[in-house]
Amino acid sequence: AQSVTQLDSQVPVFEEAPVELRCNYSSSVSVYLFWYVQYPNQGLQLLLKYLSGSTLVKGINGFEAEFNKSQTSFHLRKPSVHISDTAEYFCAVIPVGSGNTGKLIFGQGTTLQVKP
Amino acid sequence: EAGVAQSPRYKIIEKRQSVAFWCNPISGHATLYWYQQILGQGPKLLIQFQNNGVVDDSQLPKDRFSAERLKGVDSTLKIQPAKLEDSAVYLCASSFGTARSYEQYFGPGTRLTVT
Repeated sequence: AQSVTQLDSQVPVFEEAPVELRCNYSSSVSVYLFWYVQYPNQGLQLLLKYLSGSTLVKGINGFEAEFNKSQTSFHLRKPSVHISDTAEYFCAVIPVGSGNTGKLIFGQGTTLQVKP
Repeated sequence: EAGVAQSPRYKIIEKRQSVAFWCNPISGHATLYWYQQILGQGPKLLIQFQNNGVVDDSQLPKDRFSAERLKGVDSTLKIQPAKLEDSAVYLCASSFGTARSYEQYFGPGTRLTVT
């Protein structure tokens, strides 16, 4: 079975400061990795994904993430945050291979609170 | 390109009542997913359709939840009777197929409150 752990439930940060949201996963098979953002009363929006290739992935809104296979991590980073980045962030995986149906398995979420 | 549509956006019912949610996926998307997101948790897959067939319903509480996708397009998720613990946001997503499940697009969700 697969699981995703987001190590921080809340991350407060001042505007223009850097931020890192941490994500670790557990899986016996290869996985695709994702970060989604959810603004209040909205659905999920894909920030970035890792399928294969370069382990450093760049996404929308200036976010990037790095896949570390040995540490089974996929941490999300942004060098300078804005007030508008305040939202809930979800890390997720899709197990890859025969027998896997493509369902997303999500972590518990991290609330990013950007303060002025 | 129109996104995934869901209705209603909000619903308040009393326990033991029934409720239904509707989802219209992106045109051409063969795979449709229903996720349940309880407050403070990440979304959890309830049921996945490929066209009008069920691919995965292992986490669907079948004694009270049902879903259908007639004609392989729109889908309806029903709860009957509702319990307090069913209070959640119900998200619908779609993709071109299971082979492209890494490109799932989500609707705005339906927020259900059971009192």
